Amino acid sequence: QVQLVESGGGVVQPGGSLRLSCAASRFTFSSYAMHWVRQAPGKGLEWVAFIRYDGSKTYYADSVKGRFTISRDNSKNTLYLQMNSLRPEDTAVYYCAKERSNRAFDYWGQGTLVTVSS
Amino acid sequence: QSVLTQPPSVSAAPGQKVTISCSGSSSNIGNNYVSWYQQLPGTAPKLLIYDNNNRPSGIPDRFSGSKSGTSATLGITGLQTGDEADYYCGTWDSSLSAGVFGGGTKLTVL
Repeated sequence: QVQLVESGGGVVQPGGSLRLSCAASRFTFSSYAMHWVRQAPGKGLEWVAFIRYDGSKTYYADSVKGRFTISRDNSKNTLYLQMNSLRPEDTAVYYCAKERSNRAFDYWGQGTLVTVSS
Repeated sequence: QSVLTQPPSVSAAPGQKVTISCSGSSSNIGNNYVSWYQQLPGTAPKLLIYDNNNRPSGIPDRFSGSKSGTSATLGITGLQTGDEADYYCGTWDSSLSAGVFGGGTKLTVL
């Protein structure tokens, strides 16, 4: 069964940085596009970022553009999200998700909580 | 304010049928595939429908999806108490070059 395991969440002060990782296993990671999706406490899902299977293309939500960077290391089967200039409104559970096709996410990690607070 | 519009809540009795709507525009639903997700409390979302009307293996045929123009609909028949969850529609927005979700619909099985 496909497995996605996020790590790297925690408490950070406004303006700080954090790097999330998503370790993928039991599928050919290098063949699939990947996404980050977040969910603020008690709120709905918010798409954050996309990366093509080979890392050649990325897209971002306007709310994180210029502050977050999605990347991947296909040799390590790992997806990353570098988050800089963090704001309180970035507080959320961050999920990595595998794209099945046409921007449908068929597998999700368990999520990692990021709290931005002083 | 979500790009896709869903009703905040729906409810129905066990065994009954319910539909959840998802309204968008030509830049998203109108020209891209729609997917639907179920999120049980405290868990990650689960894919129910992809490419407008296809079910992944393991998803019962009680769940169905359809799309017409700039709107999509999730249908659930034979409601069970275990279906109580939040449901989200999602797609790509070609103008934004971004993924978009609906605000979510809370299903209550009375």
